[in-house]
Amino acid sequence: AQSVTQLGSHVSVSEGALVLLRCNYSSSVPPYLFWYVQYPNQGLQLLLKYTTGATLVKGINGFEAEFKKSETSFHLTKPSAHMSDAAEYFCAVSREFSGGYNKLIFGAGTRLAVHP
Amino acid sequence: DAGITQSPRHKVTETGTPVTLRCHQTENHRYMYWYRQDPGHGLRLIHYSYGVKDTDKGEVSDGYSVSRSKTEDFLLTLESATSSQTSVYFCAISVGQDLSGYTFGSGTRLTVV
Repeated sequence: AQSVTQLGSHVSVSEGALVLLRCNYSSSVPPYLFWYVQYPNQGLQLLLKYTTGATLVKGINGFEAEFKKSETSFHLTKPSAHMSDAAEYFCAVSREFSGGYNKLIFGAGTRLAVHP
Repeated sequence: DAGITQSPRHKVTETGTPVTLRCHQTENHRYMYWYRQDPGHGLRLIHYSYGVKDTDKGEVSDGYSVSRSKTEDFLLTLESATSSQTSVYFCAISVGQDLSGYTFGSGTRLTVV
């Protein structure tokens, strides 16, 4: 069975500091990995995804994540936090099933606070 | 962007009453999903659909049923609402050539009193 663990339900950083949100997954097959962001009272928006190929994935708003198979990790980083980055972030894993559909399994989420 | 709308956006209902939430998409996507979001649990899959009249259960399907009589509409029904079903419900569709990512609706906040 697949699962996702996000380390730290709350992370607080200063504006301009490095953002590091941790995600570890378990999967018996090569996974697809995702990071989504949710701003207050909104739906989820895709930040970035890894399917195949380059293990360092760049997303929107200056975020990036690196797929490390040996560590079963997919941590999200941003070099310099902005106040507008304050949101909840979800890591997710999926795999393709016969018939072409896939199911996303989400982590519990990490709420990022950015203070001046 | 794929057009996906959920209705209603907010609803308060009494315990024991039936409730139906609607998800509507405008771009003929085959795969649709219902999730619930609860603090500390992230999003959990309730039901999904892979075509008209083709649906299956997710990990938290007890107390919920779904129907998909048209490609564009995916309905989630709480047959007899309970307080434990107070949650935010999200509909999603699979987009992209490899169907690997989802687009989410804006959510329905349901309160069962």
